Amino acid sequence: DQQVKQNSPSLSVQEGRISILNCDYTNSMFDYFLWYKKYPAEGPTFLISISSIKDKNEDGRFTVFLNKSAKHLSLHIVPSQPGDSAVYFCAASAFPYNQGGKLIFGQGTELSVKP
Amino acid sequence: EAQVTQNPRYLITVTGKKLTVTCSQNMNHEYMSWYRQDPGLGLRQIYYSMNVEVTDKGDVPEGYKVSRKEKRNFPLILESPSPNQTSLYFCASSLSADVRGVSTDTQYFGPGTRLTVL
Repeated sequence: DQQVKQNSPSLSVQEGRISILNCDYTNSMFDYFLWYKKYPAEGPTFLISISSIKDKNEDGRFTVFLNKSAKHLSLHIVPSQPGDSAVYFCAASAFPYNQGGKLIFGQGTELSVKP
Repeated sequence: EAQVTQNPRYLITVTGKKLTVTCSQNMNHEYMSWYRQDPGLGLRQIYYSMNVEVTDKGDVPEGYKVSRKEKRNFPLILESPSPNQTSLYFCASSLSADVRGVSTDTQYFGPGTRLTVL
């Protein structure tokens, strides 16, 4: 059973416009959420995170929104740049984190930003 | 340079031939983990280690073994590989899984090992 779902396998956006990547989760115990970015032939790299005590976290062009009642989070990239083209994974974890620091990942969304 | 390294990066082998994928980090991280990435399934955790000599199963441990004899190394062992273990494998490390309030829970990933089992 997929506890973290990214229902859009791919997304194409024009340079300069907003990219919105979505993620849904089913486990109400999740209280920490992260986004990772992955380029081909490289490992994922951490992008941005949000705790369940917040509903928004912003870092430069990247903003993550969390809607706990809907069990939904989204990553907004504004403005989108061609270098943002990558696969984006959302991930979630539940406290206590000493359950092994387990992160549950979504399937990934491939973002393509066209010049 | 802080990094997680994996070797080999690419490997083609045959069913039943034991293999080891090495993972090493130079950041003095306590926590290390192995994931596999498969199309449509994202990243799934195989095994993790909270510290030296402390390991535990993740979501998909069947067919894999790990060991953590030193802090920096966390090898993944496939005693008898099968074709369903053909995948892209990532090793990751983070400072500590217990520092919940301070850590961003960021895991640093290695570059990946693409394994094909014929």
